[in-house]
Amino acid sequence: QQQVKQSPQSLIVQKGGISIINCAYENTAFDYFPWYQQFPGKGPALLIAIRPDVSEKKEGRFTISFNKSAKQFSLHIMDSQPGDSATYFCAASNTGKLIFGQGTTLQVKP
Amino acid sequence: GAVVSQHPSWVICKSGTSVKIECRSLDFQATTMFWYRQFPKQSLMLMATSNEGSKATYEQGVEKDKFLINHASLTLSTLTVTSAHPEDSSFYICSAPQTGPETQYFGPGTRLLVL
Repeated sequence: QQQVKQSPQSLIVQKGGISIINCAYENTAFDYFPWYQQFPGKGPALLIAIRPDVSEKKEGRFTISFNKSAKQFSLHIMDSQPGDSATYFCAASNTGKLIFGQGTTLQVKP
Repeated sequence: GAVVSQHPSWVICKSGTSVKIECRSLDFQATTMFWYRQFPKQSLMLMATSNEGSKATYEQGVEKDKFLINHASLTLSTLTVTSAHPEDSSFYICSAPQTGPETQYFGPGTRLLVL
């Protein structure tokens, strides 16, 4: 029940395209859903986060869509750029402890 | 954003020795810090929660006698891998919450290689 399932495992997108990464959770007690971006050899960096009372949150080119009834949330990266190539992790929390998804390696081709 | 540092950034040690990794919050105080381990091409797995002034709480399956955690001040937590073995080779990352329990900022990580 503590798992967060993330898909796809890897994603290749053309420059300017939309990257979409999906996550699903089971524990309805989770009340905070962040997305992190990680470059090789670096620590994760917080991208954007949402709480379940909101269905969508947008910050620049990054948008989180949240479906509470389906217990799913997704990250959309608009106008994807080669510099967005990294590993993305979704996570969920209700006590401050983050439970991470498996990660998605995104490659944006020029 | 908030800055969390780790030292060292990488370390190579012989099997059987102990290694200490430091995690510091540079511009804010953190009564709680978290330690994660990440194997190549895998996700981050929470190892333990470091609590300032009290004992750390460990996740299931993490040996508390092997991974010693000390949260000596509001800006410093240390993780000591005791009697390290090759299977302990991994990327160790700490995090600290700033404005709230969920707003965690991660350190740059420490890569440990045990020969």
